Amino acid sequence: QQQVKQSPQSLIVQKGGIPIINCAYENTAFDYFPWYQQFPGKGPALLIAIRPDVSEKKEGRFTISFNKSAKQFSLHIMDSQPGDSATYFCAASLGNAGNNRKLIWGLGTSLAVNP
Amino acid sequence: DAGITQSPRYKITETGRQVTLMCHQTWSHSYMFWYRQDLGHGLRLIYYSAAADITDKGEVPDGYVVSRSKTENFPLTLESATRSQTSVYFCASSSYNEQFFGPGTRLTVL
Repeated sequence: QQQVKQSPQSLIVQKGGIPIINCAYENTAFDYFPWYQQFPGKGPALLIAIRPDVSEKKEGRFTISFNKSAKQFSLHIMDSQPGDSATYFCAASLGNAGNNRKLIWGLGTSLAVNP
Repeated sequence: DAGITQSPRYKITETGRQVTLMCHQTWSHSYMFWYRQDLGHGLRLIYYSAAADITDKGEVPDGYVVSRSKTENFPLTLESATRSQTSVYFCASSSYNEQFFGPGTRLTVL
């Protein structure tokens, strides 16, 4: 049973476009929602994260939008660049309330930004 | 070098052989994790450890064994490798919520 559903599986945009990746979760006890970025041949790395007490968080060109009532959160990449081409994973966890620090992962979105 | 390292980076083995993948971190993070990454399956947790001598199963533990005698090391052993264990394996460590990943080991079982 997958507790975090991510869509789309793949995405192609033109340079300057705004790709949007969506995730939906089931467990209302989750209180930490990170996005990880993975380049080919590398391990994933934390990109940006949000907690449910805010509806939006921006870091540079990356924005997380969070809808607690809908149990959904999304990643927006403003002015996308070819260097943003990577696989993006959303995840969720119980945060500090959880005793195991486990992340529940979405299946990933492969993003290609064409020049 | 500070960070998290994995060895070997590439490994080819045969069905039935025992294989150990090594993971070492220099941050003294208490939590460590082993994942496998396969196309279409994302990251699947194999085992994790909250501290030295404390380990627990993840989503796909069958066929794998872990140990953690020291905080900085978390080896993963495939006791009798099978073709279905061909994958990319990632080790990670965490402090609070963020997980820091190693570069991965690409394992091929023939």
